[in-house]
Amino acid sequence: SQQGEEDPQALSIQEGENATMNCSYKTSINNLQWYRQNSGRGLVHLILIRSNEREKHSGRLRVTLDTSKKSSSLLITASRAADTASYFCATDPFTGNQFYFGTGTSLTVIP
Amino acid sequence: EADIYQTPRYLVIGTGKKITLECSQTMGHDKMYWYQQDPGMELHLIHYSYGVNSTEKGDLSSESTVSRIRTEHFPLTLESARPSHTSQYLCASSDSVIQETQYFGPGTRLLVL
Repeated sequence: SQQGEEDPQALSIQEGENATMNCSYKTSINNLQWYRQNSGRGLVHLILIRSNEREKHSGRLRVTLDTSKKSSSLLITASRAADTASYFCATDPFTGNQFYFGTGTSLTVIP
Repeated sequence: EADIYQTPRYLVIGTGKKITLECSQTMGHDKMYWYQQDPGMELHLIHYSYGVNSTEKGDLSSESTVSRIRTEHFPLTLESARPSHTSQYLCASSDSVIQETQYFGPGTRLLVL
């Protein structure tokens, strides 16, 4: 990927457990965002974290950003079967006009 | 649900045909984007536009072309479809310069035989 790499590529957990997925990127960024994609559909924006922020919460989502390591993590707490989807990080680099998406993590939550 | 629409949702077409994938948004966004995504893979930007009469190519080389004659409309055209064009095409739009949240359409799944 030009910018984002995510791991794991796939994650399978039981309902009620927490899910953590990680994103690493290569260049300095303005902000980093996480998106969700259900199978065969478009992406839906979940949360944005700016480069001067270290942690952000939204409902059951918690995002961290470590600009020194060029990495971010997305934690979904108390997972539900409906959380089953692919999750992508996306970075808005300082330079250039493009917006780069990671390789995605496929999450399966087993009821 | 975002107010961004793509048609058709699914298209099966023969090699050599000309096709146009439609994308329209009712949010008044200046910026619009086309991504190509193979199943289970990352998104690749193929075209983007910052406003009317503005179009740029993305990182992924594409034989498609786009136009932006109206703010709300950003169609993508393939003059001569080939099997290598088989993929999912996602359209997106965004407004703010500082916070580039993108709103995606449902996508068009294209199969070229």
